[in-house]
Amino acid sequence: DTGVSQDPRHKITKRGQNVTFRCDPISEHNRLYWYRQTLGQGPEFLTYFQNEAQLEKSRLLSDRFSAERPKGSFSTLEIQRTEQGDSAMYLCASSLGGASFSYNEQFFGPGTRLTVL
Amino acid sequence: AQKITQTQPGMFVQEKEAVTLDCTYDTSDPSYGLFWYKQPSSGEMIFLIYQGSYDQQNATEGRYSLNFQKARKSANLVISASQLGDSAMYFCAMRVRTGNQFYFGTGTSLTVIP
Repeated sequence: DTGVSQDPRHKITKRGQNVTFRCDPISEHNRLYWYRQTLGQGPEFLTYFQNEAQLEKSRLLSDRFSAERPKGSFSTLEIQRTEQGDSAMYLCASSLGGASFSYNEQFFGPGTRLTVL
Repeated sequence: AQKITQTQPGMFVQEKEAVTLDCTYDTSDPSYGLFWYKQPSSGEMIFLIYQGSYDQQNATEGRYSLNFQKARKSANLVISASQLGDSAMYFCAMRVRTGNQFYFGTGTSLTVIP
């Protein structure tokens, strides 16, 4: 399968615990995005990587959130000291971007559903 | 600031009929792309169709077409010959040249009635 994969698919944790999610993008895609989606809403942008560089972060990404893409391949999103408000679906997407500007569509993974008790 | 507005929380359509899902957008950037995604109950986001701000013709992809009215800042999705498998949430999204992120609307839930 050459699509975007995310692990785990579901995570239940207690408030105050740390959680880490992994995203494996489509192998040739150099752009990687993290989104958060709550019930009844569209995805909200969290952060964006081009290769290993984190180029943009949303104000939604508080200091409890950190994301990495160490070798420009897979990415991790960590949430420290989870709160009940962090309960959501966390989506990863990847796309192919060239030197010139392009509007290549994003391909999404299946998401990680986080429940904070 | 960029914004996508989808004013139809839910829509119903008879099987084999056509349906239009509304999307309006707001941006001051003259260069942008508009996208539609489908999200079935299983959760994955599926890309459907793309329209660039400088494209002269409306985009079409099989049963999907995008009714792009630039002056009105609207990018409505038209699904022809609806099928039961079209029942899902549909999201309109935009990316502007000067930014990296995609902006999504709140979505429209489409139900196809047999």
